[in-house]
Amino acid sequence: NAGVTQTPKFQVLKTGQSMTLQCAQDMNHNSMYWYRQDPGMGLRLIYYSASEGTTDKGEVPNGYNVSRLNKREFSLRLESAAPSQTSVYFCASIAGQGAHLDFGYTFGSGTRLTVV
Amino acid sequence: AQKITQTQPGMFVQEKEAVTLDCTYDTSDQSYGLFWYKQPSSGEMIFLIYQGSYDEQNATEGRYSLNFQKARKSANLVISASQLGDSAMYFCAMRGPYNFNKFYFGSGTKLNVKP
Repeated sequence: NAGVTQTPKFQVLKTGQSMTLQCAQDMNHNSMYWYRQDPGMGLRLIYYSASEGTTDKGEVPNGYNVSRLNKREFSLRLESAAPSQTSVYFCASIAGQGAHLDFGYTFGSGTRLTVV
Repeated sequence: AQKITQTQPGMFVQEKEAVTLDCTYDTSDQSYGLFWYKQPSSGEMIFLIYQGSYDEQNATEGRYSLNFQKARKSANLVISASQLGDSAMYFCAMRGPYNFNKFYFGSGTKLNVKP
């Protein structure tokens, strides 16, 4: 099925460990995003990639890095995990900068990350 | 800067009744889009309904309608004839034309439908 695939779905890390969250879309979308979801705070943008080869910081980028590996894949890396990064992480994509305003995101199913 | 406000952290509604979930927004853009997403307990984000800032008619999608009041900058979601399966988190979101397709999300409303 076409869509956005995130891996892993669940992960437990110890403080200081590193890991990479993977995201891939097969809809030929230009723009991809990483959000984190915390209780009572909705979804907050971590990083985004408007097009292949570009990445930019969002609202809460500290402690994260991203790589737009190709048009399909956008990964999020935690270099040294902290308990404050315990959250649910969503990857999303959209057709592109010129997409009509009625185009919404396509979301991945989320990654539930716990840092102990 | 854009901002979305959902003032109802949680709501209860009786099955088969209608319910309104509030959303206000703040933007200096003239052209923008407003969205509602549903997040059931399974965690996925499901698109429900869209309203464009220049649309004169309120958007409707089945049992969902969007009460759009542009002057008041509000975009409330109305769910008619609530069903048990409507129990979920609901997020209001906005996107503008000049910000690389970034969406801004509200903090969400947890809706519980009682049998």
